[in-house]
Amino acid sequence: GAVVSQHPSWVICKSGTSVKIECRSLDFQATTMFWYRQFPKQSLMLMATSNEGSKATYEQGVEKDKFLINHASLTLSTLTVTSAHPEDSSFYICSARSGGGRTVGPLHFGNGTRLTVT
Amino acid sequence: GQQLNQSPQSMFIQEGEDVSMNCTSSSIFNTWLWYKQDPGEGPVLLIALYKAGELTSNGRLTAQFGITRKDSFLNISASIPSDVGIYFCVPQGYDKVIFGPGTSLSVIP
Repeated sequence: GAVVSQHPSWVICKSGTSVKIECRSLDFQATTMFWYRQFPKQSLMLMATSNEGSKATYEQGVEKDKFLINHASLTLSTLTVTSAHPEDSSFYICSARSGGGRTVGPLHFGNGTRLTVT
Repeated sequence: GQQLNQSPQSMFIQEGEDVSMNCTSSSIFNTWLWYKQDPGEGPVLLIALYKAGELTSNGRLTAQFGITRKDSFLNISASIPSDVGIYFCVPQGYDKVIFGPGTSLSVIP
C-alpha cells in the first residue's frame, strides 16, 4: 500500500530555534499534502494544505510565517517551525494524496513527529 | 460553517462484541474515509468509500457511504483487544478534507 514517511519521529529543541519536519510519499506522487497538529486526546487539526509547486493555503489562525511549508516536489513537503516556543510543542502529522479534482485518492498519513520545545 | 459529528465519542466494550459508530455532516462529500489511530502514531486507512450507498468490507470491518452523501457508518464485528484506538471518519471533498472528532474504543478482554 501507499507509504508516507515522516521524519524525524521526535525532536527536542530549545526555545528560539527552528525545526524542520519532512514528509515524503515513497511510492506515489503526492499532488497535495496536508499538515496537521494534534493535541492530546483531540482530533487532528488541519494547519495547511499544499499543492506541489504552489504556495500553501493556511487555515484560519495558523501563522504562515511561523509554520513555513514547502512542497517543492511531488514526493516531498517540509514544515519548518520557526523560532519555536514551548507552546509549539505538539504532535505534527503530515498526509498526502494523489490525483486532483474529481479523481483524488485517499489520504495516507505519516507516523507523526513529536515536537518538544524546552 | 461545515459541521461534522461523530458518535459515540467513546466506547467500552467486551471482547467479542460488535461495534458501531457513525458520522454525519452538514455538507455533501464525494468520499468518506475511515481511519484508526494508535497512540503516538499517524492514522491508518481502514476503508475508503467513493459512491453514495456503497457498502464495503475489510475483514471484520464494514462501512457504508450514506445515500445522501452526508453520513457514513463503520461496524466492527467480533472485537479483539488490538481494535483499541481512536477511529476517525474523514469526509473528503474536491478541495477539503475534514477530520471527525473521533471515537475512542476500549476493548475489555
